[in-house]
Amino acid sequence: QKEVEQDPGPLSVPEGAIVSLNCTYSNSAFQYFMWYRQYSRKGPELLMYTYSSGNKEDGRFTAQVDKSSKYISLFIRDSQPSDSATYLCAMLRGGGYQKVTFGIGTKLQVIP
Amino acid sequence: DGGITQSPKYLFRKEGQNVTLSCEQNLNHDAMYWYRQDPGQGLRLIYYSQIVNDFQKGDIAEGYSVSREKKESFPLTVTSAQKNPTAFYLCASSPHTDRPDNEKLFFGSGTQLSVL
Repeated sequence: QKEVEQDPGPLSVPEGAIVSLNCTYSNSAFQYFMWYRQYSRKGPELLMYTYSSGNKEDGRFTAQVDKSSKYISLFIRDSQPSDSATYLCAMLRGGGYQKVTFGIGTKLQVIP
Repeated sequence: DGGITQSPKYLFRKEGQNVTLSCEQNLNHDAMYWYRQDPGQGLRLIYYSQIVNDFQKGDIAEGYSVSREKKESFPLTVTSAQKNPTAFYLCASSPHTDRPDNEKLFFGSGTQLSVL
């Protein structure tokens, strides 16, 4: 079993829809949770960063962490065609980024 | 503009050839990392460096080598010993190595390496 599971998609939604992207994990030691957006053949860009459980909001993006269920989510409100990209979740126990574990990414397409 | 610059964007390797991927950062970050990205797989760590003149193997270091002679530079050499080098290579950096609570991991734009 992988430490981090993420559905690769693709996920297609109409413009304006609310998008829900998710990752599950098996290692209860993860404390730091990140979401990256990656456009095709570009480097990942950090979108959201949360520590421990709870919600964090930034504009149209909301990150949610449920440590009891080992489940994290990224919600995108009023999705735009420019949101079409691959979204990677990443998790860290602590002790340096050399120990970060990435999901395989979910490919999202927002259709105008 | 501060950031991480990777070059070239595309690189082709012939059989038995070593090739070097460049990574330069002007963010004054201490730590630098090399990842490999393959379709259907998460990013995998090849090598990382926490300070100048020091580096450590990651999960898939075989067939690769690195150097860290300057703080801002962390080149990756893909040697002929790496039998399946075709992948998208990403360089990253972070300010420190052991303070993830208020510091982030930043990526370059990547190099696509293909075998001729």
